[in-house]
Amino acid sequence: SQQGEEDPQALSIQEGENATMNCSYKTSINNLQWYRQNSGRGLVHLILIRSNEREKHSGRLRVTLDTSKKSSSLLITASRAADTASYFCATDEGNTPLVFGKGTRLSVIA
Amino acid sequence: ETGVTQSPTHLIKTRGQQVTLRCSSQSGHNTVSWYQQALGQGPQFIFQYYREEENGRGNFPPRFSGLQFPNYSSELNVNALELDDSALYLCASSSWPRANYGYTFGSGTRLTVV
Repeated sequence: SQQGEEDPQALSIQEGENATMNCSYKTSINNLQWYRQNSGRGLVHLILIRSNEREKHSGRLRVTLDTSKKSSSLLITASRAADTASYFCATDEGNTPLVFGKGTRLSVIA
Repeated sequence: ETGVTQSPTHLIKTRGQQVTLRCSSQSGHNTVSWYQQALGQGPQFIFQYYREEENGRGNFPPRFSGLQFPNYSSELNVNALELDDSALYLCASSSWPRANYGYTFGSGTRLTVV
């Protein structure tokens, strides 16, 4: 079963614009993670935010976490064509398997 | 080589056959998890192996089974293949107990059942 639900399902933007993806989940978590997947290949870990953190940055990525609303957002600033991929959130309840959402398909048009 | 390697990359099997997929874990990791990803969907957890024993299982029938070896590499076996088993199978390695860091995934095996 899916825990996280990403929104929107698909997003198309111009190069240079910012992309925002949202994730909602259902249970208490230890941390929430974002992954990228290019063309149906393996997932690449992007960033992890712990339940006691509210915001985290890594390069052009900014992640927020609101545990009261059970939601997270991933912002990619100044997007590039190479950012075109599917993005998944995954929740970690603490030594349990990661549970993934259905993903957001991002298309960045040059 | 410190990443996760999966083999084969692509596979075509006939309904009813059996298949074995292989995965080597990242150096320093002792746990392997397997996920099934259907087209357009997120990865679904199949099972996890720690110290050569199954340590958690998702909603998959018993014809999905696995092994973990002393070097922490792993196999996923699927018997009596069905058309719906066509998917990308992903292996991920991690450490148990798990601190706050992410999984390392392999590139996956694309299984097509005809």
